[in-house]
Amino acid sequence: GENVEQHPSTLSVQEGDSAVIKCTYSDSASNYFPWYKQELGKGPQLIIDIRSNVGEKKDQRIAVTLNKTAKHFSLHITETQPEDSAVYFCAASKPGNQFYFGTGTSLTVIP
Amino acid sequence: GAVVSQHPSWVICKSGTSVKIECRSLDFQATTMFWYRQFPKQSLMLMATSNEGSKATYEQGVEKDKFLINHASLTLSTLTVTSAHPEDSSFYICSARDRLSYGYTGELFFGEGSRLTVL
Repeated sequence: GENVEQHPSTLSVQEGDSAVIKCTYSDSASNYFPWYKQELGKGPQLIIDIRSNVGEKKDQRIAVTLNKTAKHFSLHITETQPEDSAVYFCAASKPGNQFYFGTGTSLTVIP
Repeated sequence: GAVVSQHPSWVICKSGTSVKIECRSLDFQATTMFWYRQFPKQSLMLMATSNEGSKATYEQGVEKDKFLINHASLTLSTLTVTSAHPEDSSFYICSARDRLSYGYTGELFFGEGSRLTVL
């Protein structure tokens, strides 16, 4: 099956700085890579996703890049704000299959 | 994005009782719903895949008689924790995939989670 690894497990940045979280996957057939933000006591919320036919996608301060050859994808958050503090999960999936999640990154944005 | 509603958001029960958690897709039809369990500061652990009109598929190590899953309609799946014990205390989260995404890797949307505490 698929194996998704996520790094780092914790990340602290100063407000205004950028944060980068990286994930690798093992199944070359995976073609959909979402990122979720989970705040304390809540369910994960989809914040951005990318499909295998695209190398990069951006939505305001959030961007995701995908390198299919190397089987890794990254989440980039620019101009971080305290409200960005949360746990972020990456995932990988393919049609008709379950989603495989990374182990999560706890991001703390220091005011 | 699509909305998945999960109830109750928290529940406290006595040991030996059963607790039912509901998961509804509010603005789309979901042929597949997933149930996860999450321990503090850990990732999501898939418990079972719930398919509308058929039996759920449980992950290895998950007791199907303990965690009863029913997916009676395209918008509702329920998880019943039977004869709950303190070790069942956890955060349970459901998710749903849009029916229209069959054959295509559709987005997965999560409920808000249910905190179960068994005394």
